[in-house]
Amino acid sequence: QSALTQPASVSGSPGQSITISCTGTYSDVGNYNYVSWFQQHPGKAPKLIIYDVTNRPSGVSSRFSGSKSGNTASLTISGLQAEDEADYYCSSYTNINTLYVLFGGGTKLIVL
Amino acid sequence: EVQLVESGGGLVQSGGSLRLSCVASGLLVSDHYVGWVRQAPGRGLECVSVLYAGGGYTWYTDSVKGRFTISRDQSKNTLFLQMDSLRAEDTAVYYCARDRNWRTFDSWGQGTLVTVSS
Repeated sequence: QSALTQPASVSGSPGQSITISCTGTYSDVGNYNYVSWFQQHPGKAPKLIIYDVTNRPSGVSSRFSGSKSGNTASLTISGLQAEDEADYYCSSYTNINTLYVLFGGGTKLIVL
Repeated sequence: EVQLVESGGGLVQSGGSLRLSCVASGLLVSDHYVGWVRQAPGRGLECVSVLYAGGGYTWYTDSVKGRFTISRDQSKNTLFLQMDSLRAEDTAVYYCARDRNWRTFDSWGQGTLVTVSS
């Protein structure tokens, strides 16, 4: 597997909640609690918003939360705001030694 | 606060070379796993190379093995990526990033654009 599977896009209205999925296998997401989520605005570097499945770095809004079930990790954003419109990527530790880390293909979040 | 500042990108012809630099502050590059993650235009993220802490073990993705070399200068607290035999498919923004542990990149530079013309 060369990439985790994410939906190409999701959308929601301000104030709503949305969830982005990230599906892997037992070689990565399913067997390790080392899933991260990144937010990337156009022309900017990725920013870590969730690590170790559920943890938020200091300074990241509590509106962002992570979870995992089986081979699928999820990022939930509650109380959607216009500034949440961005690309979101997941990543996971993998035991495939030809990959240092496995990234998802990215999901574009559109705030309507 | 950790800061990573990349430089060295530019336009180069296929087969040419470039050397990227990443100056670090707030951490010692020799004490951390630090590497390069690239993003082709409109595409996702790909980890290209990582230099391990301490003894300096190196990791490369298959597509750059034998062409790219990662290194560091402790006196300048700087990470480098020497890129030789560049190909059009190497065109991307290259980010310097720190792996906090378990392959989690928590600090990123602003990126430097490498464009390889064919």
